[in-house]
Amino acid sequence: KAGVTQTPRYLIKTRGQQVTLSCSPISGHRSVSWYQQTPGQGLQFLFEYFSETQRNKGNFPGRFSGRQFSNSRSEMNVSTLELGDSALYLCASSWTLGRGRDEQFFGPGTRLTVL
Amino acid sequence: QKEVEQNSGPLSVPEGAIASLNCTYSDRGSQSFFWYRQYSGKSPELIMFIYSNGDKEDGRFTAQLNKASQYVSLLIRDSQPSDSATYLCAVNLDYNQGGKLIFGQGTELSVKP
Repeated sequence: KAGVTQTPRYLIKTRGQQVTLSCSPISGHRSVSWYQQTPGQGLQFLFEYFSETQRNKGNFPGRFSGRQFSNSRSEMNVSTLELGDSALYLCASSWTLGRGRDEQFFGPGTRLTVL
Repeated sequence: QKEVEQNSGPLSVPEGAIASLNCTYSDRGSQSFFWYRQYSGKSPELIMFIYSNGDKEDGRFTAQLNKASQYVSLLIRDSQPSDSATYLCAVNLDYNQGGKLIFGQGTELSVKP
């Protein structure tokens, strides 16, 4: 069974630009969560999509947005990039058992560098 | 107070020893608990999950949960150099929170041959 895939794996952008990252979940998984990982803040939850709807949202500014398609693939977008957005962006998929028992499996991540 | 706390380490143990990794959480409503392993430059890999009080064993790994003390731990028996990585504790805070995990800062484990 194929794992979670993310594209692109590496990205270099300049301040003020926008970027779109893509995530394809494990086949059959309906939930996709996005996380940002930095050395200083660790792994932080961005948002979660389930059945094309945003189900949860973390404490990030509105410049960070996402969506999910009918095939469960998800994209996240960051507009007006800032230097502090440089991070590893990870997506994770889960089957969604409910009751808080969602075992999430991570993709390889997209390393974003903002110059 | 951080929602999920771990000792940052590094924790150094000799090969063959038991490594003990600890995690505390602040929200008593937390429902499920996960341990991830992350090698340098790689993404987190799920190694254990636990939902009920007590111990759960999987091979060389044992997860222990004590909800009254708001404490979860991971024991690695017969530690190997290949276990050297950062171990992340993650908590799902709420019954209805779906896929929202709150992570600790991670504990770096070094297993010396």
